[in-house]
Amino acid sequence: QKEVEQNSGPLSVPEGAIASLNCTYSDRGSQSFFWYRQYSGKSPELIMSIYSNGDKEDGRFTAQLNKASQYVSLLIRDSQPSDSATYLCAVAGGYQKVTFGIGTKLQVIP
Amino acid sequence: EAGVAQSPRYKIIEKRQSVAFWCNPISGHATLYWYQQILGQGPKLLIQFQNNGVVDDSQLPKDRFSAERLKGVDSTLKIQPAKLEDSAVYLCASSLDGTGDGEQYFGPGTRLTVT
Repeated sequence: QKEVEQNSGPLSVPEGAIASLNCTYSDRGSQSFFWYRQYSGKSPELIMSIYSNGDKEDGRFTAQLNKASQYVSLLIRDSQPSDSATYLCAVAGGYQKVTFGIGTKLQVIP
Repeated sequence: EAGVAQSPRYKIIEKRQSVAFWCNPISGHATLYWYQQILGQGPKLLIQFQNNGVVDDSQLPKDRFSAERLKGVDSTLKIQPAKLEDSAVYLCASSLDGTGDGEQYFGPGTRLTVT
């Protein structure tokens, strides 16, 4: 059974700070990793995808993948109140199909 | 480009009744997913189609849930009979990636309340 673990939070950071969101997964065969943002009452929207070890940057967002440690993270620089949402980690490939974590609730304090 | 369409947006039914949800994916997307999201949890995959074939339905409660994807385009998810624990948001997503491991784009969801 593929598992994706996230701390449910809430994670509170002051405006302008770096928010660090973490995710671990159990299936070593996993090949595709995604971060989705979900505002309250809305559906998830894709922020980042990452497929190989290392960092991938897109604007204020950086995804980091370490397959040896089975760990993927999302950094949000210069956090804004509009970043306050639940961030879902999703893992796909390997033995089983796509699995989502419980999500981490991020609160950016003005 | 139009996004994933779902209907209805909200549905309230009594337990033991039946309900159906409809999804139209982004044009050209090979893979279609149905998820159940209970409040405070992440989306749980119910069924995954690639074109009109089922790839994964291991978490679909087949005694009460059924789904089909007509001609490899739109899809319906049915619950019959509904239970109180089926109260959730039902999300449809689609992906261009034919392997099923690609980026997904979600519809607005259907919020189901079973009383």
